[in-house]
Amino acid sequence: AQKVTQAQTEISVVEKEDVTLDCVYETRDTTYYLFWYKQPPSGELVFLIRRNSFDEQNEISGRYSWNFQKSTSSFNFTITASQVVDSAVYFCALSEGTSGTYKYIFGTGTRLKVLA
Amino acid sequence: NAGVTQTPKFRVLKTGQSMTLLCAQDMNHEYMYWYRQDPGMGLRLIHYSVGEGTTAKGEVPDGYNVSRLKKQNFLLGLESAAPSQTSVYFCASSYRSDFSYTFGSGTRLTVV
Repeated sequence: AQKVTQAQTEISVVEKEDVTLDCVYETRDTTYYLFWYKQPPSGELVFLIRRNSFDEQNEISGRYSWNFQKSTSSFNFTITASQVVDSAVYFCALSEGTSGTYKYIFGTGTRLKVLA
Repeated sequence: NAGVTQTPKFRVLKTGQSMTLLCAQDMNHEYMYWYRQDPGMGLRLIHYSVGEGTTAKGEVPDGYNVSRLKKQNFLLGLESAAPSQTSVYFCASSYRSDFSYTFGSGTRLTVV
């Protein structure tokens, strides 16, 4: 069965520190997709990144970077030089398909607090 | 602005009352979803739709019904609300089921 584990419930860092949010997943499929979403205090969910199971290249977007490792079933998210505006709940999600329709399984989220 | 619109944003119901949550998207997406978000449990899929006129059950469908009579609208109904349905409800849509989702801003429902 598919499963997403975000073991870190809450993380607090001081502004400008680097922080890594962990995501470990379980799936039996060879084709699947991994996502990260951000939920700021305002409540909406914002898409950050999508990665398919065949692309293990790390990705960097500004201060954000993602490390996908199939060998450890992990898709970790690092924020470099954190800022107060990064304070949010971050969700990792796994999408795998049966009968052609993919559905997400979300992790329970990691609440990041960046202190000024 | 293009996106997903949910109404209402807040609602308080008494146990046993019924209500309908409306989700509308203007991106011509085929796929639409209803999730509930509860503390410490992430988001759980209630029902979803793969196109106009279709609906399917998700992880936690009991106590809810849905309809997708028009492609742009996905309605979530509670026939007889229970305190356990107190939650934040999110609607989402996507062009393909393996693509990213666009989420609405959520509906905070309290059942007393």
